[in-house]
This record gives sequence, C-alpha cells and structure tokens, in this order.
Amino acid sequence: GESVGLHLPTLSVQEGDNSIINCAYSNSASDYFIWYKQESGKGPQFIIDIRSNMDKRQGQRVTVLLNKTVKHLSLQIAATQPGDSAVYFCAEDITQGGSEKLVFGKGTKLTVNP
Amino acid sequence: DSGVTQTPKHLITATGQRVTLRCSPRSGDLSVYWYQQSLDQGLQFLIQYYNGEERAKGNILERFSAQQFPDLHSELNLSSLELGDSALYFCASSVVPGTEAFFGQGTRLTVV
Repeated sequence: GESVGLHLPTLSVQEGDNSIINCAYSNSASDYFIWYKQESGKGPQFIIDIRSNMDKRQGQRVTVLLNKTVKHLSLQIAATQPGDSAVYFCAEDITQGGSEKLVFGKGTKLTVNP
Repeated sequence: DSGVTQTPKHLITATGQRVTLRCSPRSGDLSVYWYQQSLDQGLQFLIQYYNGEERAKGNILERFSAQQFPDLHSELNLSSLELGDSALYFCASSVVPGTEAFFGQGTRLTVV
C-alpha cells in the first residue's frame, strides 16, 4: 500500500552543523512532496515543497532533494540552530481522480545541541 | 500564525459522548483537510473537502463525520467516543488541492 516512511526516528546534531533528514516514499505516481516541521504543542508548519519535475529546491537554509529513481526525499538544513529542534515530517501528496490527500511519514525528531 | 483557526484548543469528555471540532480555513482557501495525530499512529489523513464537497476519505471511522459549510468553515463530528479516540486533531487548508497546505494549532481531545 501507499506509505511514506523515514529512515531515522531521531537525529542529534551540534549547533552550526548541517542536518540531513531522509524519507522514502512508495507511490511512484506522486508528483508533489512537502516537508513539515512540528514543534511541541503546535501544528505542522510548512517548510519547503518540491514537485516531481525538479530534483532540487532551495529555501532559506533548507534544501530538498528528490530522487525519483529510488523514491527518496531528503531535507538538508544548513547551519542548524537550536530553534530548528522539532519533529520533521515528509508528506507525499497523492492526487487521484479529483481527490487528494497528504500521506505523512512517521517523523524524525531533530535535537540541536548548543 | 498559519491563518487556520481551530476551536476548541482542548476538550475533555467521557466515553460514549459526542463532540464537534471546528475549523476556519485561511481566507481564500477552498480545500479543508482533517488529520488525526496520535503517538502510535502519527499523522493520519481523515477526510478532505473542497468548496463544500467531500473529495477524499482516509482512515475515518464510521463514528466520525465532517462537513464543510457555504462559508467554507468545517466541522468534524466525533460520536460514541472511545478512549482510543484521544488524540490531536488537526485541520489544514489550501487554496486548491495539490498546493501548500497550512495547518491549524489543533484540538487536543482527551476521552476519559
């Protein structure tokens, strides 16, 4: 069945280091992917998205890479800061016959040590 | 602030009861989505509405129902509540399907 999963449930990095969070998806027909950040007690917050016609997209300190061959998505955070500590979810947008839903991975908890 | 408003923020109720969760989407957004987040299941898609019409159903129990009103706000109704229904319920909205979805702060439901 369709699923989006994360390779690592937790990631701990030092402040200033770069972080890489990985995600695997299973639906090869999906053409839109989103990364969300969720801080404790808050709703998921949009970080960056990418469509399947792209391999890479950059934002402010964040980069998303998409490898459609192996159905892999990654989020890179440059110069990680304590404020980046949160759970990160990748989501796969599945649109079929006019209906649409986001399928979320389990999440990776990022801890940034000062 | 995402612009998506959910009420109430917290809700405590007894088993067997019925509750209604409310969501006001961002201004201009036509699509509304409901998600359930529990510790062991992560974020699970429940249902989607677009401009008042149901568009997609996910893992939504028959005891649960939702609707989107003409002013585009949405309500999620949960009935015959069980302890296992305790979770965070999130609403999200987007302009149209397939575009960036913004989430509300959620309603934390506790069934005792």
